[in-house]
Amino acid sequence: AQSVTQLGSHVSVSEGALVLLRCNYSSSVPPYLFWYVQYPNQGLQLLLKYTSAATLVKGINGFEAEFKKSETSFHLTKPSAHMSDAAEYFCAVLSGSARQLTFGSGTQLTVLP
Amino acid sequence: DTGVSQNPRHKITKRGQNVTFRCDPISEHNRLYWYRQTLGQGPEFLTYFQNEAQLEKSRLLSDRFSAERPKGSFSTLEIQRTEQGDSAMYLCASSFREGSFTGELFFGEGSRLTVL
Repeated sequence: AQSVTQLGSHVSVSEGALVLLRCNYSSSVPPYLFWYVQYPNQGLQLLLKYTSAATLVKGINGFEAEFKKSETSFHLTKPSAHMSDAAEYFCAVLSGSARQLTFGSGTQLTVLP
Repeated sequence: DTGVSQNPRHKITKRGQNVTFRCDPISEHNRLYWYRQTLGQGPEFLTYFQNEAQLEKSRLLSDRFSAERPKGSFSTLEIQRTEQGDSAMYLCASSFREGSFTGELFFGEGSRLTVL
């Protein structure tokens, strides 16, 4: 069964600093991978997805992620953090007979002024 | 607003009572999913529908949980005889399957259940 593991339940960065949120996957087949963001009191929003095309995927709000098969990783990055990036971020993999998303436990990003 | 709509947004109930949540998906979407999210965890898949057919329900947490989508449009999730452990956020998501499905789901804002 496909699964994802997010390393670090809380990450703090200074405004303007690099954001790096880690996600490793486990899959016996080429995975479809996703990053979603959840702002307080809002629904989850898709940031970006990897569907076996380009390994470097660009998403909304300046985020990008790189699929690295050799490392079974799909880390999320942003060169310069903004206060508005403070939110919870979830990595997910498409899995199961229902083709549902299986989510990691999430990483809460805090951006310090 | 053409997004996924969930009602009620908040429900407080006493243990043993039944509760029902409603989800209105994006109108042209044929797939509808229910997830549960507890504090500090990612969403956990419960069940899904393609049109009115419930194609996966083995992940529902117990026989106290049931879901319907009678006309392939809105869906309801019912929890009977609620327990304190049912306290969580219940999320609904929808998508449109055409050809090779690449999994993008559109989520509602969720219905938060508190069982006293």
